[in-house]
Amino acid sequence: DTGVSQDPRHKITKRGQNVTFRCDPISEHNRLYWYRQTLGQGPEFLTYFQNEAQLEKSRLLSDRFSAERPKGSFSTLEIQRTEQGDSAMYLCASSPRTSGSLETYEQYFGPGTRLTVT
Amino acid sequence: SQQGEEDPQALSIQEGENATMNCSYKTSINNLQWYRQNSGRGLVHLILIRSNEREKHSGRLRVTLDTSKKSSSLLITASRAADTASYFCATDLVGKLIFGQGTELSVKP
Repeated sequence: DTGVSQDPRHKITKRGQNVTFRCDPISEHNRLYWYRQTLGQGPEFLTYFQNEAQLEKSRLLSDRFSAERPKGSFSTLEIQRTEQGDSAMYLCASSPRTSGSLETYEQYFGPGTRLTVT
Repeated sequence: SQQGEEDPQALSIQEGENATMNCSYKTSINNLQWYRQNSGRGLVHLILIRSNEREKHSGRLRVTLDTSKKSSSLLITASRAADTASYFCATDLVGKLIFGQGTELSVKP
C-alpha cells in the first residue's frame, strides 16, 4: 500500500536560495493539498489542486511560493529566495474524488519535508 | 490564520481514563474532521462528521457536533499510552481544511 510520499524529508538551505519539494499522492486521489506547519501549531493551508487545476492559493502565501501539478499526478512546491521565516515542516496531503461539490473528505498526509533556512 | 480553537491546549491523564477535547470554529462548514499527529506516524485522519450530523462513533472515539454553538468535542474512552499525541480539529471550508492549534494529550501508563 503506497501512501503519500514526499521528497526530500529534510532540507537545509541558506537564505536567498531556491528550494523545490515534491509530493506523490495516492494514485487514485484527484485532490492534492499543501500545508505548512510550525512547532506547536496546526497545519496552515497553502494551496490545493483538483487534478492539474490549482483551485485556491492562500492569501497569506507570498509570491515567492509557487506550486504545480502538471499532469494531475505528482506536485512540486517551490520557494524562491528563501527567508528564515520559511523554516517549517511542509506537508502534502491527498484526498479521494468528491461528488462534484467543493466539500473535502478525509485527507491522507505524507511524512512532510522539514525545511531549515540558515 | 486558524479557524478552529481547541481546548484544552494540553491534557494529561492516566491510562484507562477518558479524554475529552473541544473545538470551536467561526464560520459555517460542510464537515468537521479530527486528526491525530505523533512523531512516529505523522498526521492521521480519525473521524469526519457532517454538518447535518450530531454524533458519530468510531471504536473508542465519539465525536459530537453542535452547529448552533459552532463547536465539537472528541471523546476518547479507556485511553491507552499509545493515544499520546496531538489532536487537531479541522473544518472543511469550501474545499480546503482549516486546522486548529491542537490539544496535546499525554496518557501516562
